[in-house]
Amino acid sequence: DQQVKQNSPSLSVQEGRISILNCDYTNSMFDYFLWYKKYPAEGPTFLISISSIKDKNEDGRFTVFLNKSAKHLSLHIVPSQPGDSAVYFCAASASLYGGSQGNLIFGKGTKLSVKP
Amino acid sequence: DSGVTQTPKHLITATGQRVTLRCSPRSGDLSVYWYQQSLDQGLQFLIQYYNGEERAKGNILERFSAQQFPDLHSELNLSSLELGDSALYFCASSVASSYEQFFGPGTRLTVL
Repeated sequence: DQQVKQNSPSLSVQEGRISILNCDYTNSMFDYFLWYKKYPAEGPTFLISISSIKDKNEDGRFTVFLNKSAKHLSLHIVPSQPGDSAVYFCAASASLYGGSQGNLIFGKGTKLSVKP
Repeated sequence: DSGVTQTPKHLITATGQRVTLRCSPRSGDLSVYWYQQSLDQGLQFLIQYYNGEERAKGNILERFSAQQFPDLHSELNLSSLELGDSALYFCASSVASSYEQFFGPGTRLTVL
């Protein structure tokens, strides 16, 4: 049973336009969400995160939106650049032991292709 | 460069064998996590260590074990290997108070 779902295996976008990557989750205990980017032959790289007490977090061209009632989050990349072409993973975590550490539950990823 | 190192980068072995994967976390990080990424699968959490002690366990097979040493490096031991164990194995580390985990480049294990 997948607790974190990325229903689009791939997405193709023109350079300069907006890329929107979506992620749904089922576990209401999740209270922290992260996006990772992964290039071939490399490990995932942390991109941006959001706590469940917020509904938006922005970092440069990247914005993550969280809709807790719908158990849905999205990553917006504006403007998209060819270097953004990679696999994007959504991940979620629940507070453990009263603290912030815990394993991440990952979606299966969305492959983004940004065409020049 | 995340600061997390993993060795070896590639490993090819036969069914029934045993291998050890090694991970050195970022300087100052006390937590180490191991993940497995099989074909068409997302990253599956295996196990977490914090300052030498096992903290959390995921879908780790009984044939697999891990440990974290006093210098905080970690090893993942895989034994009685099967074809289905072929995968990318990632190590990640984090500071005590952060959700963000920083991943190493991974070890690609091929079982023939």
